[in-house]
Amino acid sequence: DAKTTQPPSMDCAEGRAANLPCNHSTISGNEYVYWYRQIHSQGPQYIIHGLKNNETNEMASLIITEDRKSSTLILPHATLRDTAVYYCIVRGGYGGSQGNLIFGKGTKLSVKP
Amino acid sequence: GAVVSQHPSWVICKSGTSVKIECRSLDFQATTMFWYRQFPKQSLMLMATSNEGSKATYEQGVEKDKFLINHASLTLSTLTVTSAHPEDSSFYICSARDWQGTTEAFFGQGTRLTVV
Repeated sequence: DAKTTQPPSMDCAEGRAANLPCNHSTISGNEYVYWYRQIHSQGPQYIIHGLKNNETNEMASLIITEDRKSSTLILPHATLRDTAVYYCIVRGGYGGSQGNLIFGKGTKLSVKP
Repeated sequence: GAVVSQHPSWVICKSGTSVKIECRSLDFQATTMFWYRQFPKQSLMLMATSNEGSKATYEQGVEKDKFLINHASLTLSTLTVTSAHPEDSSFYICSARDWQGTTEAFFGQGTRLTVV
């Protein structure tokens, strides 16, 4: 079973920041938080991941609480092309089958003009 | 990010026939590849994990004799759906990870299988 809880859906106005929350209260010390998104009928796209520090890349920012029990993915200026299902996944940072990604139901983000 | 190519993008086959789906890592060596299945309006479900040169590890409830996985090289894994039936119609997605270089997995574009 997925180790994360996300709201099933969210709306965001185009050009505004989209803040997607994720709860992972049972995360263990060596587990990372990963974010992927899936646009309709495509394979998932990697967005960002982090362990305990906040992370930022060209796509998004990841804010992880100090106790690591929750995190927020921030899309600073959402566009219509950001409409997708966003998955928050907790996973160990090691290889092999122990590092596989278990997908929950994700959050369907709808960016509206 | 790294590129994972999946082929074909879609396929229609007759019931009882077999279908092979290929997953290639184009710019890195994938020591581990994963196969997922996704039914309409549902999330991705992990089917199996394969490590190059060894037998795949299947998730509970996935028939290993029906879904044959081969990971013979560091850049290619194949999934063969044998004796396909309409209930096997689904979106099949592979992902690959480079153990040495990165910890994130990259996904193929998926294969839409329709069994008629």
